[in-house]
Amino acid sequence: AQSVTQLDSHVSVSEGTPVLLRCNYSSSYSPSLFWYVQHPNKGLQLLLKYTSAATLVKGINGFEAEFKKSETSFHLTKPSAHMSDAAEYFCVVSDPTRRQAGTALIFGKGTTLSVSS
Amino acid sequence: DTEVTQTPKHLVMGMTNKKSLKCEQHMGHRAMYWYKQKAKKPPELMFVYSYEKLSINESVPSRFSPECPNSSLLNLHLHALQPEDSALYLCASSHDGERGNTIYFGEGSWLTVV
Repeated sequence: AQSVTQLDSHVSVSEGTPVLLRCNYSSSYSPSLFWYVQHPNKGLQLLLKYTSAATLVKGINGFEAEFKKSETSFHLTKPSAHMSDAAEYFCVVSDPTRRQAGTALIFGKGTTLSVSS
Repeated sequence: DTEVTQTPKHLVMGMTNKKSLKCEQHMGHRAMYWYKQKAKKPPELMFVYSYEKLSINESVPSRFSPECPNSSLLNLHLHALQPEDSALYLCASSHDGERGNTIYFGEGSWLTVV
């Protein structure tokens, strides 16, 4: 079975410092991987998506993630945190054994990013 | 900005009320979804409509009744809800229902059952 693990439930950084949110997945096949962000009292916004075209994926707002098959990781990074980055971040894997997009999505438990000034 | 629009943003209803949540998308997507999200938890899939037909019901209680009037609209009818149904309800859509499609979410409707 496919699964996704977000290694930190809470990450705190100072404004202007790098951000690293860690995600490991388990999949017997080449998965599709996503990062979504959810700001307080908002819906989920797609940050970026990996679909095997390139291992380094650039997303919105300066975020990027690198797919490392050997480490089964898909960590999210940003060189310099901004106060507006404070939010909940979900790593999501699409289970290739399931046909339907909705049931295929497996969400991590989320990482809360706090940014201090 | 999200292109999935949900109304109302907030809803308070009593346990005997009947209300509806509405969702609209104009991206030409043919799959639409309802998710339920409790605080500090990831979203949980409730229903999937594919080409305006209900394709998946994740064992949701009958007090939640989805409806897809056309390819752009999705409703969730609520009746005789319980306080534990209080949550953020997210509508989403994708190009079609196939695995690997990106799912785009709306801003959500906050539901409080009193």
